[in-house]
Amino acid sequence: NAGVTQTPKFQVLKTGQSMTLQCAQDMNHEYMSWYRQDPGMGLRLIHYSVGAGITDQGEVPNGYNVSRSTTEDFPLRLLSAAPSQTSVYFCASSYSITSGFLSSNNNEQFFGPGTRLTVL
Amino acid sequence: DAKTTQPTSMDCAEGRAANLPCNHSTISGNEYVYWYRQIHSQGPQYIIHGLKNNETNEMASLIITEDRKSSTLILPHATLRDTAVYYCIVRDLTGTASKLTFGTGTRLQVTL
Repeated sequence: NAGVTQTPKFQVLKTGQSMTLQCAQDMNHEYMSWYRQDPGMGLRLIHYSVGAGITDQGEVPNGYNVSRSTTEDFPLRLLSAAPSQTSVYFCASSYSITSGFLSSNNNEQFFGPGTRLTVL
Repeated sequence: DAKTTQPTSMDCAEGRAANLPCNHSTISGNEYVYWYRQIHSQGPQYIIHGLKNNETNEMASLIITEDRKSSTLILPHATLRDTAVYYCIVRDLTGTASKLTFGTGTRLQVTL
């Protein structure tokens, strides 16, 4: 298994540009999520999804859109990039509580390697 | 999810045990204690979790006090590769989502 993959690894944007950060997992996990991490800070949840066709907002959703058309993919879209969105973005996946497969023993979340985004 | 309090940083000599404390005094009965770590520039990595009993796996041990208001992550023989930020997280698995709420964690520096 490749686990959780993210592309690109690095990206520089100008203010106002749009782009999509890609995230994919091959573990058949229902739950996927996006976090951002600013320097010296912990991770903050942007959006999450408990299954294909279902998404919801996290702690800091403004300026970001998501969709979940397949179980494997969970892209994050920046519609009009701003310097405040300069950050490292992590995607994560796990089994979902609603899947029936989840127990306290397999709710480990797997994180991707991150995308480092700079908005000028 | 309950809030946690951790020291900002700790040092540990290589080969010695690293004991990382976490306070979660407002934890509720159905919340688990999870530990993740983040090695520089990488995504967080799951370490261990528990509800009320002490737990051990190949990476670490987790000691939870009887009142569950605090816990300690133990790395029995720390190596330089254990240098990382360690996050203590309490979370409720009875909801419909698997959200993790990260604090600022403890930065563990393992030295020679």
